[in-house]
Amino acid sequence: ILNVEQSPQSLHVQEGDSTNFTCSFPSSNFYALHWYRWETAKSPEALFVMTLNGDEKKKGRISATLNTKEGYSYLYIKGSQPEDSATYLCAWNLDSNYQLIWGAGTKLIIKP
Amino acid sequence: DAGITQSPRHKVTETGTPVTLRCHQTENHRYMYWYRQDPGHGLRLIHYSYGVKDTDKGEVSDGYSVSRSKTEDFLLTLESATSSQTSVYFCAIRPPSGNTIYFGEGSWLTVV
Repeated sequence: ILNVEQSPQSLHVQEGDSTNFTCSFPSSNFYALHWYRWETAKSPEALFVMTLNGDEKKKGRISATLNTKEGYSYLYIKGSQPEDSATYLCAWNLDSNYQLIWGAGTKLIIKP
Repeated sequence: DAGITQSPRHKVTETGTPVTLRCHQTENHRYMYWYRQDPGHGLRLIHYSYGVKDTDKGEVSDGYSVSRSKTEDFLLTLESATSSQTSVYFCAIRPPSGNTIYFGEGSWLTVV
């Protein structure tokens, strides 16, 4: 069964604190892992695409790591701000022609 | 701005009525997708298209049909809307190079 799991389902974080959450995917086959950020009433926005084991990507205060051998990726947010409140989605595909399999998302709420 | 427009953005309809959602792109990309997003679920693929008149089913295609008569337009039709089809519908496009897909802003459909 091809399944992508994200944890936790939701997360409340105090403004200024750092946080991280997890995406787990099948480790048997791997082509790419994607992170998206979605604010309600807006388009999901691509954050990162990672393809190599050990990849680390960074965009401002947000970074992500990838472990394809054990099948997980972490997303980190440093010094959370209210504008970071969103649902963070990850998606996995096993080859370039295979459709993306999506996790259910982690809903992040930043408390001022 | 990924050049994707969805219409309508919000719709309330009655059970049993047909509904058509439209996705329009200005990028001339071959690949277009329709997803639905529901709480507790990831994005689930309904149908996708890889060219004019070329479409295929996704994982949750029952009760939906699509048409692509022009490169720029991908229509999703709910043949006879049911309450279980109340959801947020996202259209997406994929450029020929790279693996990132780009989303429209979503269409909120409520079936009463």
